[in-house]
Amino acid sequence: DQQVKQNSPSLSVQEGRISILNCDYTNSMFDYFLWYKKYPAEGPTFLISISSIKDKNEDGRFTVFLNKSAKHLSLHIVPSQPGDSAVYFCAASSGTYKYIFGTGTRLKVLA
Amino acid sequence: DTAVSQTPKYLVTQMGNDKSIKCEQNLGHDTMYWYKQDSKKFLKIMFSYNNKELIINETVPNRFSPKSPDKAHLNLHINSLELGDSAVYFCASSLYNSPLHFGNGTRLTVT
Repeated sequence: DQQVKQNSPSLSVQEGRISILNCDYTNSMFDYFLWYKKYPAEGPTFLISISSIKDKNEDGRFTVFLNKSAKHLSLHIVPSQPGDSAVYFCAASSGTYKYIFGTGTRLKVLA
Repeated sequence: DTAVSQTPKYLVTQMGNDKSIKCEQNLGHDTMYWYKQDSKKFLKIMFSYNNKELIINETVPNRFSPKSPDKAHLNLHINSLELGDSAVYFCASSLYNSPLHFGNGTRLTVT
């Protein structure tokens, strides 16, 4: 039972344009959501998070949007850069130490 | 100044052997984790320790035994290795309801 899903396994975007990565979840108890970036042969690196009391959080080029009624979150990267090419994972937790990860979306930013 | 370090980075061994992976964090976090990334790239939690106490134990064969000698260390011992144990194992640490910080992974190959 995959509680956190990323339905797009891959995404290609032109450099300078917006990248939008999507994530859906099923567990309404989740109240803390995170995005991670992963390069090959490295561990996932934390990017940005959002608490369920907010619907938007911004950090530089990265913005995360949370739609609790739709159980959906998205990560916007503007402008996209070639160095952003990586696999992106969303994750969620419900006030416990258990973080559930999505299956990842491979982003390719074309120069 | 590595935050979460795990050794070895690569581990190749034969079926039936016993092996260990070590993890150390210098972030002052109170919780450590083991995650497994399988061939389908799913990141699944295996174990979590908070202040040396086991708090999460997912459905993992009892051939896998974690040990936390102190808050900064979490080791994973695997007995009687099987082909299906081949995966990348990630160690991580965190404070409560805060982002996980991952190590760079140990790629285990069982032949």
